[in-house]
Amino acid sequence: GAGVSQSPSNKVTEKGKDVELRCDPISGHTALYWYRQSLGQGLEFLIYFQGNSAPDKSGLPSDRFSAERTGGSVSTLTIQRTQQEDSAVYLCASSLAGGPDTQYFGPGTRLTVL
Amino acid sequence: RKEVEQDPGPFNVPEGATVAFNCTYSNSASQSFFWYRQDCRKEPKLLMSVYSSGNEDGRFTAQLNRASQYISLLIRDSKLSDSATYLCVVTSGTYKYIFGTGTRLKVLA
Repeated sequence: GAGVSQSPSNKVTEKGKDVELRCDPISGHTALYWYRQSLGQGLEFLIYFQGNSAPDKSGLPSDRFSAERTGGSVSTLTIQRTQQEDSAVYLCASSLAGGPDTQYFGPGTRLTVL
Repeated sequence: RKEVEQDPGPFNVPEGATVAFNCTYSNSASQSFFWYRQDCRKEPKLLMSVYSSGNEDGRFTAQLNRASQYISLLIRDSKLSDSATYLCVVTSGTYKYIFGTGTRLKVLA
């Protein structure tokens, strides 16, 4: 079956612009996660969705970051007024119902802020 | 102390060698454990779950030691294609996955 998909795969933007990143989880997976990975670094947790609710937003770095999920499926991560330090790969993952189920990752969106 | 700790490596081993990685975790209430593999500029992919009784998948063996709070991954007969970063993952509570920063493996011809 289809895996997790993300779009765009690459995004280059200018400092100060807003960007929207999209994630399509595996069908039927209620849990959805966003992570950020900077070059050569580990995964940084951003936000967790269970259905359309986000019980844990503790990893969002600042109020410029927001995310929503609709219909218990697609999620968008929005970064407003992008900064150069936002440059990273943004990874989305889904799992059937959260821990302890296996997480499956999308291919990521590579964001470059000039 | 980090919740999940791994030796970053790199581990440089010749083809055919056996190599082992350990990962320690701090939360004794952790319930589920995984090893993921991440190739350069790619997303992490599940390698194997780690069960209390230990488990094996071909050349890969994973073990869990709850008393000492570590998990291990053993790779036998290393192949060039095994070169990657191996991520240890531990669940925390009902939904959180804590990722180690990974151990880099380079298998040399």
